[in-house]
Amino acid sequence: GNSVTQMEGPVTLSEEAFLTINCTYTATGYPSLFWYVQYPGEGLQLLLKATKADDKGSNKGFEATYRKETTSFHLEKGSVQVSDSAVYFCALRVGAAGNKLTFGGGTRVLVKP
Amino acid sequence: GAVVSQHPSWVICKSGTSVKIECRSLDFQATTMFWYRQFPKQSLMLMATSNEGSKATYEQGVEKDKFLINHASLTLSTLTVTSAHPEDSSFYICSALAGTSGATDTQYFGPGTRLTVL
Repeated sequence: GNSVTQMEGPVTLSEEAFLTINCTYTATGYPSLFWYVQYPGEGLQLLLKATKADDKGSNKGFEATYRKETTSFHLEKGSVQVSDSAVYFCALRVGAAGNKLTFGGGTRVLVKP
Repeated sequence: GAVVSQHPSWVICKSGTSVKIECRSLDFQATTMFWYRQFPKQSLMLMATSNEGSKATYEQGVEKDKFLINHASLTLSTLTVTSAHPEDSSFYICSALAGTSGATDTQYFGPGTRLTVL
């Protein structure tokens, strides 16, 4: 089956620090990969995505590269802000858009001023 | 961007009663909606996939007679938790699929509904 594994949190950082959240996956088929973010009290929002190997998704200073050889999609940001405090979910989908998303366990990130 | 709303955002009910949760796509039509359940500090678990005008497809282990899903229009899906018990207490999240084809369509998520069963 399909599964997503991401590092457990919480991850506590100081403002302007470098953030990495590891995400690895197993999939039956060729997946599309996603990072979603859930800010306190809000619903999940798509942060970025990549649909094929070596693609790089980027948004709001965050980046993740689809690495097929290591089945990974690590999220990075060079300089975090307090406003980046949230829960981040890695997810995959195999096949068409109507197919389900499989989520990782989520990583809580807390950025302190 | 596309907005998905849920109502209510928070509900408390007595054991044995039924609770209905609404999920609406506000500015787009969604032929497919998804219902998830999220336990504290855990990930989202898909409960069912709902297609407008047809019966929902439930994930393994989800009781379809307990979690009734109706997707009667392109902008509204409802989840009814029947004869709720304390173990049904959870955070229920819906998402709606914007677009009709291709692997690049995006799921937009509602803010969630917290259900507490006493």
